[in-house]
Amino acid sequence: NAGVTQTPKFRILKIGQSMTLQCTQDMNHNYMYWYRQDPGMGLKLIYYSVGAGITDKGEVPNGYNVSRSTTEDFPLRLELAAPSQTSVYFCASSYETVNTEAFFGQGTRLTVV
Amino acid sequence: AQTVTQSQPEMSVQEAETVTLSCTYDTSESDYYLFWYKQPPSRQMILVIRQEAYKQQNATENRFSVNFQKAAKSFSLKISDSQLGDAAMYFCAYRAPYNNNDMRFGAGTRLTVKP
Repeated sequence: NAGVTQTPKFRILKIGQSMTLQCTQDMNHNYMYWYRQDPGMGLKLIYYSVGAGITDKGEVPNGYNVSRSTTEDFPLRLELAAPSQTSVYFCASSYETVNTEAFFGQGTRLTVV
Repeated sequence: AQTVTQSQPEMSVQEAETVTLSCTYDTSESDYYLFWYKQPPSRQMILVIRQEAYKQQNATENRFSVNFQKAAKSFSLKISDSQLGDAAMYFCAYRAPYNNNDMRFGAGTRLTVKP
C-alpha cells in the first residue's frame, strides 16, 4: 500500500525556473492538499482539491498553480521560482469526513538559489 | 481565524520517563477535531492521536494520551515510557467542522529522547 507518493524528494532550482512537484495517492481519496513547511513554522495550506476537476486556494497560494485531472494525481506547479519559495512541500489526502486524519507524503525539499 | 500555538519549541526526556507537550488553540466553534502528528527525521508525517471536541473522554493510543481541556482550549500530549524512537517533531493540528480544507498546524515541538 503506497499511500501518498511525492516526487522528487529534493530539488534545487534557479531563480525564474519552473518545475512541477508530483503527487499521487492510491487510497481513492477525494480530498487532496498541498502544504509548505518553513523552518520553525507549522504547515501552511497552499491549494486543495475536493475532487477531480475542482481546486481552490488555501492560505498561501501566490506563485503556485495546481490541477486535478484525476482522483489520484494532484501536481503543484511553480512557474517562476523565487527564493521565498524555498521550503519543504507536503502533499496530503483524506476522506471527505472531517474526523479523519490527512495522510501525508514524505515531502519535497526545494531550494531556490 | 483559528490559530494553534505550541509554546515549547524544544523538549527533552529521559528514556522510559514521561513527557507532556503543550498545545493551545483559538476557535469560536463548539465542535471540531484535534490531532497530534509526529514527524521523524524521515519527514513523514504520522498521525499519533486524534480527539473529537464533542467527546469528553480523553483519547488514548498505547503510550500516547491527551489531556483535552475544552474550556481552556488546551490539548496536551503525554508520552509515557518514552522510547528512543519517539524522538521527532510533534505538531498539534486543529480541523474546523464541516470544512476539510481548514486544518491549522502549530509550529511544532522538537522532542529529544536521552538514553
